[in-house]
Amino acid sequence: DAKTTQPTSMDCAEGRAANLPCNHSTISGNEYVYWYRQIHSQGPQYIIHGLKNNETNEMASLIITEDRKSSTLILPHATLRDTAVYYCIVRGGNEKLTFGTGTRLTIIP
Amino acid sequence: DGGITQSPKYLFRKEGQNVTLSCEQNLNHDAMYWYRQDPGQGLRLIYYSQIVNDFQKGDIAEGYSVSREKKESFPLTVTSAQKNPTAFYLCASSQGWLRTDTQYFGPGTRLTVL
Repeated sequence: DAKTTQPTSMDCAEGRAANLPCNHSTISGNEYVYWYRQIHSQGPQYIIHGLKNNETNEMASLIITEDRKSSTLILPHATLRDTAVYYCIVRGGNEKLTFGTGTRLTIIP
Repeated sequence: DGGITQSPKYLFRKEGQNVTLSCEQNLNHDAMYWYRQDPGQGLRLIYYSQIVNDFQKGDIAEGYSVSREKKESFPLTVTSAQKNPTAFYLCASSQGWLRTDTQYFGPGTRLTVL
């Protein structure tokens, strides 16, 4: 059973911030939120993960709401190379990663 | 260069033949995984190994076999018992098995059974 809900697809103009939402309303206290992306015909690439605090790295920022029921991945200045399928995954304990169908993000020139 | 390598990138086999997909990592990770991806779908876990000489079935292990004789290697054999073997196969590894252990993926092998 999917623990997350993401829009099927989104477009974003090149150079603008891409904001990808994810709902995880049944998340429990010890579960982390992970984001991966997959460019066509390549292996998934780890982006970022967090528990309850907002996180930032060289690729993106992760904003988690105070109630932890949703999060947003932010790519601050999207480029054409950011076109990919983005997966939001909730993971806790010794569970495996469960990939849904993700959000297909298209960066428009 | 540290990372996960999978070979070959593309593989063609005749129906009824067994085929082995290679996965090697030089990240000194304890855990390794095999996933399968079908067009337009997410990844599904085939097998995983938390430590050398040990492995467990994932969600779709039927028709597949693995071995973990060395820490850095986790080959996957697709047997003739696998009904729909044509797919994109992805190998991953992580330092451990905790929820904080990030999985890193290889580039994948696309298997086509003719």
